[in-house]
Amino acid sequence: GAVVSQHPSWVICKSGTSVKIECRSLDFQATTMFWYRQFPKQSLMLMATSNEGSKATYEQGVEKDKFLINHASLTLSTLTVTSAHPEDSSFYICSAADRKRETQYFGPGTRLLVL
Amino acid sequence: AQSVTQPDIHITVSEGASLELRCNYSYGATPYLFWYVQSPGQGLQLLLKYFSGDTLVQGIKGFEAEFKRSQSSFNLRKPSVHWSDAAEYFCAVASALFTGGGNKLTFGTGTQLKVEL
Repeated sequence: GAVVSQHPSWVICKSGTSVKIECRSLDFQATTMFWYRQFPKQSLMLMATSNEGSKATYEQGVEKDKFLINHASLTLSTLTVTSAHPEDSSFYICSAADRKRETQYFGPGTRLLVL
Repeated sequence: AQSVTQPDIHITVSEGASLELRCNYSYGATPYLFWYVQSPGQGLQLLLKYFSGDTLVQGIKGFEAEFKRSQSSFNLRKPSVHWSDAAEYFCAVASALFTGGGNKLTFGTGTQLKVEL
């Protein structure tokens, strides 16, 4: 299957700082990427849909000014958690849509801990 | 709106035994159906998918799933479970029309599989 990477795999930061997470499709071009959040022992919650060259579409209840998404190229999308607070601590997972295979491929996830 | 139900939160099977994980979906048109597996602290790996055609689909790691439209189900099966299959399994549905480079996936709540040696 296709490969999607995320960086960093885990990050610890102080409350009030901003954290950037990168999501890359390594062997295919992805015009659309998705960002999910997963709480312990729960399913994935879609946060936003990221389209290359345009603004992201956020799901209801997700603060767009809090979670900044940029999809500047066909292989890279970034999620920036601004002014992070302890309640933002979570496991963030991205996926990239492979149009040829009509399938989303997921990254390994980024664990964020805000102190 | 589309939805997915995985009725079993936890399942425990003995190594070598057969496995069936249940998935029921709700969607008005022809669904795209997926099964993903997640190991602890990891992302999701695609096991198999169904778009159309043969209702019995084969996936990786010896898994298969059968689409039954009359029952709105897409159950995952494996004839003989290995200890390494212990993980969280998610069923997901997307709308049939895959346009614009991507489609939203709606996930079930997951089934945690434990394998006893």
